[in-house]
Amino acid sequence: AQSVTQLDSQVPVFEEAPVELRCNYSSSVSVYLFWYVQYPNQGLQLLLKYLSGSTLVKSINGFEAEFNKSQTSFHLRKPSVHISDTAEYFCAVSDYGDDKIIFGKGTRLHILP
Amino acid sequence: DADVTQTPRNRITKTGKRIMLECSQTKGHDRMYWYRQDPGLGLRLIYYSFDVKDINKGEISDGYSVSRQAQAKFSLSLESAIPNQTALYFCATSGSSSGLVNNEQFFGPGTRLTVL
Repeated sequence: AQSVTQLDSQVPVFEEAPVELRCNYSSSVSVYLFWYVQYPNQGLQLLLKYLSGSTLVKSINGFEAEFNKSQTSFHLRKPSVHISDTAEYFCAVSDYGDDKIIFGKGTRLHILP
Repeated sequence: DADVTQTPRNRITKTGKRIMLECSQTKGHDRMYWYRQDPGLGLRLIYYSFDVKDINKGEISDGYSVSRQAQAKFSLSLESAIPNQTALYFCATSGSSSGLVNNEQFFGPGTRLTVL
């Protein structure tokens, strides 16, 4: 069965510094990959997704993630974080043809002034 | 107006009480899901439904039941609430776009349930 591992439960980073949130999934079959963001006291919002094509996908607010099939990873990166990026980030994966998506346990991003 | 709405947003109840959480969507999606979120555990799937006549158990369905009253409505019930069902509950929807099913899900704002 598919599973998702987010290696870091919390990541503190200074404002304007770069950040990487790590995500690995277990199965190497064809997959769809997602990053969702949950701002304080809100529901989850889709940040970006990989369905097919280019392995590098980008969001409108400067995040990007790269699908690496050989390493079964989909790490999320941003070159310079802002205080408004404070949130919990969830990696999720869906096997092609499956009806559900599996979520990781989340990584809480703390932006330090 | 929000595409996925949940009521109530907050609820405090006592052990043994029956509770219903409701979810409505205006996105026209056929698939609906109920998750619970607990600190450090991420989101876990309780039940999901692909249309009005299709209900499926998720990872943690024990102690819960659901009803798909219409394509746009999917309710979650706790027949006899217990304290370890205290959690944040999310409803989500998904649907095909131009025939492509990519499982992108759209979430409601959540219901914070406390069972005393």
